[in-house]
Amino acid sequence: EIVMTQSPVTLSVSPGEGATLSCRASQSVNSNVAWYQQKPGQAPRLLIYDASSRATGIPARFSASGFGTEFTLTISSLQSEDFAVYSCHQYKRGKTFGQGTKVEIK
Amino acid sequence: EVQLVESGGGLVQPGGSLRLSCGASGFTFSTFWMTWVRQAPGQGLEWVANIKQDGSEMYYVDSVKGRFTISRDNAKNSLYLQMNSLRAEDTAVYYCVKDHPWGYYDYWGRGTLVTVSS
Repeated sequence: EIVMTQSPVTLSVSPGEGATLSCRASQSVNSNVAWYQQKPGQAPRLLIYDASSRATGIPARFSASGFGTEFTLTISSLQSEDFAVYSCHQYKRGKTFGQGTKVEIK
Repeated sequence: EVQLVESGGGLVQPGGSLRLSCGASGFTFSTFWMTWVRQAPGQGLEWVANIKQDGSEMYYVDSVKGRFTISRDNAKNSLYLQMNSLRAEDTAVYYCVKDHPWGYYDYWGRGTLVTVSS
């Protein structure tokens, strides 16, 4: 099983600042990584697929990069609605997720 | 607009059964793989089971094999998860998820909470 490890577990950020989230795969997954946003009581939302492609309707302040085993999600200038939990997901071999990074208001 | 609405969760005793349902709308349900993903309290997301468009192939995470059964009714645009012999470790929010053909999940429901406790 491919293990996805996210860091940090929690990220405290002030509104308007940027945030960088990391996700590491235990073996290469090429670019088969997606990122999701979760808010309490809401359906998880697809942000990024194929490591760097923004899903439909996702604002340009969300960007992502990576290939192989190292992946990054960057949120520039956090808005109030961006404080949430972010999870990475590999779909190269089977389907596994990271434990999530909580982005909280500083 | 794609909508996935889960139902059927609740409190059940260990060893008991529950049947989760998911109603789908806003897309041609019969042409997509569908998946159940769960999230235990304080834990990450976990793939549970998926099913092919025509229901001819189903796959399960090892921990639920022999206890859970995924099924679908394309005429009713519905996905199901029959859960038997439930254990405390099955306690989680269960999400109904639409598969994109490239492998990621493009739409999720809000989830339904299953609590296994005496």
